[in-house]
Amino acid sequence: EVQLVESGGGLVQPGRSLRLSCTASGFTFGDYAMSWFRQAPGKGLEWVGFIRSKAYGGTTEYAASVKGRFTISRDDSKSIAYLQMNSLKTEDTAVYYCTRDIGIAVAVLYFDYWGQGTLVTVSS
Amino acid sequence: AIRMTQSPSSFSASTGDRVTITCRASQGISSYLAWYQQKPGKAPKLLIYAASTLQSGVPSRFSGSGSGTDFTLTISCLQSEDFATYYCQQYYSYPLTFGQGTKVEIK
Repeated sequence: EVQLVESGGGLVQPGRSLRLSCTASGFTFGDYAMSWFRQAPGKGLEWVGFIRSKAYGGTTEYAASVKGRFTISRDDSKSIAYLQMNSLKTEDTAVYYCTRDIGIAVAVLYFDYWGQGTLVTVSS
Repeated sequence: AIRMTQSPSSFSASTGDRVTITCRASQGISSYLAWYQQKPGKAPKLLIYAASTLQSGVPSRFSGSGSGTDFTLTISCLQSEDFATYYCQQYYSYPLTFGQGTKVEIK
């Protein structure tokens, strides 16, 4: 059974950093691109960014709102994807979801498995 | 960025109704469109991709159509478990973008 479990969320002050983890199981993690999304309280879904599989360079893409502040990485040996969030702003407050791209090796950019989400609250 | 606009933003319907949700893209996206269902406190669930392809395990009462800029999600016979919020998502180009959501409520 495919499972994605996010961790690392919590309360953080503006300007500080936080790292989220997404631990995957039930599939060959290294074969898939992984994405992060977020959802502010009572709002819609927003794409944060994604990381390609190593077969496609393991390169990343980001939304403009987080580019330069957030970094996505992966450790295929541990089946974990990370979201490093620096210079956090109050508007980054949201539930953050980790997702698996439906494509094997090549990212097709829609997502068949989602984690349960982890809440990040940025507040002084 | 491609802007995705859904209509309506919310509506009320009864079990057994046929309902249609519309999603319009600000520029042509071919058939690079997915639909998701989200229930309160839960992660989104993929329903349809490539505008009209039903994801495995999704009931056949869900269907999608459209290409270019105009798309629809139809639920042919609304069931109690279908009351939720629905989002369209384009994957034609970065950044990936979603519609604002359509909330389907019980009448």
